[in-house]
Formats: sequence, structure tokens, C-alpha cells
Amino acid sequence: AQRVTQPEKLLSVFKGAPVELKCNYSYSGSPELFWYVQYSRQRLQLLLRHISRESIKGFTADLNKGETSFHLKKPFAQEEDSAMYYCASRGGGNKLTFGTGTQLKVEL
Amino acid sequence: NAGVTQTPKFRVLKTGQSMTLLCAQDMNHEYMYWYRQDPGMGLRLIHYSVGEGTTAKGEVPDGYNVSRLKKQNFLLGLESAAPSQTSVYFCASSPGQGRTGELFFGEGSRLTVL
Repeated sequence: AQRVTQPEKLLSVFKGAPVELKCNYSYSGSPELFWYVQYSRQRLQLLLRHISRESIKGFTADLNKGETSFHLKKPFAQEEDSAMYYCASRGGGNKLTFGTGTQLKVEL
Repeated sequence: NAGVTQTPKFRVLKTGQSMTLLCAQDMNHEYMYWYRQDPGMGLRLIHYSVGEGTTAKGEVPDGYNVSRLKKQNFLLGLESAAPSQTSVYFCASSPGQGRTGELFFGEGSRLTVL
């Protein structure tokens, strides 16, 4: 079975500091990886997907097949980045497997 | 467009009671999903559907049933509620066809079983 691991339940950083949210996956093939975000009182929404190789709201994520990782990074954290972040993987089927989530808190 | 709409948003049940959660989407999406969200557990897939008239089990299907009689609706039923089913339930839909991982979520339904 696929597994997505997010080792940190809570990550607290100061405004302007770099952010890295960790995500590791277990899948022997070529998975699709995603980051979803849930802001306070808002719906869970897609932030970015690895095949797009894009930067959304300053966030980027690179798929590292050797380390089976898909860490989410942002060079300078903003207060509005405070939210719950979920990493998710799709391994060839029709299902998306989510990690347990990391709560990011950006402090002033 | 309303996107994905879940009803009800809140419900309190007694152990053994039954209920149905309704999910409706107006984006003509093929795929629909039901997840539950619990503290420290993340989102876990209950059941899903890849088209009208089809359903499949997810990671935690026990105690739940689903139906997809119409493309736009996906119902989640609890026949005999248990306290372990206290959770926040999220419905999601996806276009499929190369965009299967792009899920559009509802606002969630908070269920408490006493």
C-alpha cells in the first residue's frame, strides 16, 4: 500500500524565515505528488503538483526519486502562509493517499 | 458554480442511529470521493466512485455504504453509527482523465456520535 509520511505535526517559523515542509512517499513506480493546503475556515485546496513544476504563492516542491521525497519550500515565510499542509500521492490508480498533515505557524 | 456542496454541515447522532451525508457537485466531474479527517490521522479515504453507478472501497470502508445513482451526487450512509465514527467528513470530486489527483473539496460535515 502507498504511504505518505509527514514527520512534523507542527512547524513554527518566524516571518521572513525559510520554510521547508517535509514529505516522503513509498511507491515503487512513478507516483504523482501533490501539496494541498487548508487555510483557517476555508476548504482544502490544491496548492501545487509536481508535474507542473510551478511556483504557487512562492512555494515550490521538487520530486526527489532517490530520496522518495517531495518537500515543500518557500524562501521567506509570510503570515498568510499559516495553514495546514497535506502532502498527497497518486500511484497509478484512481485514489489519492494523503499524509497526516503539518500545521505551519508563521510568527511575527 | 457552487462547486462541491455537502449537507448537513453538522449532525449529532446517538449510537445505533443511521444517517446519510449528501455530496453534490456541479462541475460534471467523473470521480467522487469520501474522506474522513481525524486529529493526527490526516485524511483517510472511505469510498470512492469513478463514474455514475460505480463505487469502490477505500482505506477505511467498514461501517459505511455509498451510492452514486446520479453523476452529480455521491451519498455516504452510516447504517448504525458508532462513537468511532465521530469525525469530520469531506467529499471531493475530480475531473479524472489525467487530472485525477486534482481534487475539489466540500466544506466538510462534522459528525458527532454519542
